[in-house]
Parts: sequence; C-alpha cells; structure tokens
Amino acid sequence: NAGVTQTPKFQVLKTGQSMTLQCAQDMNHNSMYWYRQDPGMGLRLIYYSASEGTTDKGEVPNGYNVSRLNKREFSLRLESAAPSQTSVYFCATTTDRVQPQHFGDGTRLSIL
Amino acid sequence: DQQVKQNSPSLSVQEGRISILNCDYTNSMFDYFLWYKKYPAEGPTFLISISSIKDKNEDGRFTVFLNKSAKHLSLHIVPSQPGDSAVYFCAASANSGAGSYQLTFGKGTKLSVIP
Repeated sequence: NAGVTQTPKFQVLKTGQSMTLQCAQDMNHNSMYWYRQDPGMGLRLIYYSASEGTTDKGEVPNGYNVSRLNKREFSLRLESAAPSQTSVYFCATTTDRVQPQHFGDGTRLSIL
Repeated sequence: DQQVKQNSPSLSVQEGRISILNCDYTNSMFDYFLWYKKYPAEGPTFLISISSIKDKNEDGRFTVFLNKSAKHLSLHIVPSQPGDSAVYFCAASANSGAGSYQLTFGKGTKLSVIP
C-alpha cells in the first residue's frame, strides 16, 4: 500500500501517555479516515475528513482527536491513552464515497 | 445494533470449489456495497463493489450478488485458490447525509481454502 503510509507501525504506551498516529497519502484523495480494528469487531470508524478543512466523528470517537493538516496528512491523537484503546489502527483514503477506500498497513498500538 | 452483518465467522472450502460469503444489512439507505480482503499484518484491500442499481457485478473469479428486497449480498469466488485464504469484510455506504462518507463494516468472515 505505497499510496497510504502510516507511522509508526508498532507502539507500546503506558496508561495516561499521549501519542499521535500519522497518516500520509500521495493519491491526491479528498477524503481520509481513521478506523480501529479489534478482534471479532471488524473495522469501526473513529473520525473522518470528507475534504481538507473538515473533520467529523465516526462511530467510536471518544478519547481521540484528529487534525487534517493538509490534503495529504490526517493525524489521530490519543491525549491520555487507556488500555481499552489497545487496537490496530488503520488510515484510509478515497476520492469520493462511491470509490473504494484505500488502506494503509496499520499501526499496532498496545497500552499497558 | 449492527447494520452490516456477516453471520459466519469462518468458512473452509476445498481448492477448486466455490466459496460463498454472505452479508446482510438493515439500513435501507445503503446504496453502495464493497468487499475487502485482509491478510494478517496488512491493511484491507479492495476486492469488488456493487451499486444498488445493479444486482450482479463480476470481476474475474469474483462475483458479487445483491438482493435488495432481502437486504442481502454475497461474494462468490470460483474457483477458490489457497491464496484466497484471508478475512473478507463486507462494507456499505449510505446515499445521503453525513453517513454518505462513511463505510459501515461487517465483522468479517475468515476463509480458509484447503489445498
């Protein structure tokens, strides 16, 4: 998935620490998304940005903040990490809603 | 309440046979449906999609069928190959409002193709 780059790939945090997950795309897509995947739960939308300058909450936004820095970059911030936020986080992008979303390879986050 | 349901957590199929993965949805506003495949330690990759104005879409070995009256779609893989072993996610998008930019995913079905 060269078009959507997520950093870091792995991270271990202690409860209460803060962290920013980065996502950058070179596909010139308007819309960007952050999901989390937990075992047996599928992918759940945390936040999305339909276009540069806009952000909206998804299904599970509590405990997270986002920033659409520019058209290429969309970051996800955990202000005070909790064990319940241990998950695999995926960033995705698309040109518009009737086009497939393209995913990065994920950030595996463990909070102790 | 789950709006997109994949009721079979797993499926095993012999190589060369047909794999049929099922997905049900409850939201009548959904008008665009997708299937994604996911290998371990990788992001989901797009497989095939279908608009609600169609009832079938085919791409090589993969065919998606949509039954709007039953709110049901299925993915057929023929013939199944060992490389098809992965988790398959069904996803749907609504046609209006804030939800129109969101994909709602099912929980996935793990397909194992046995050589």
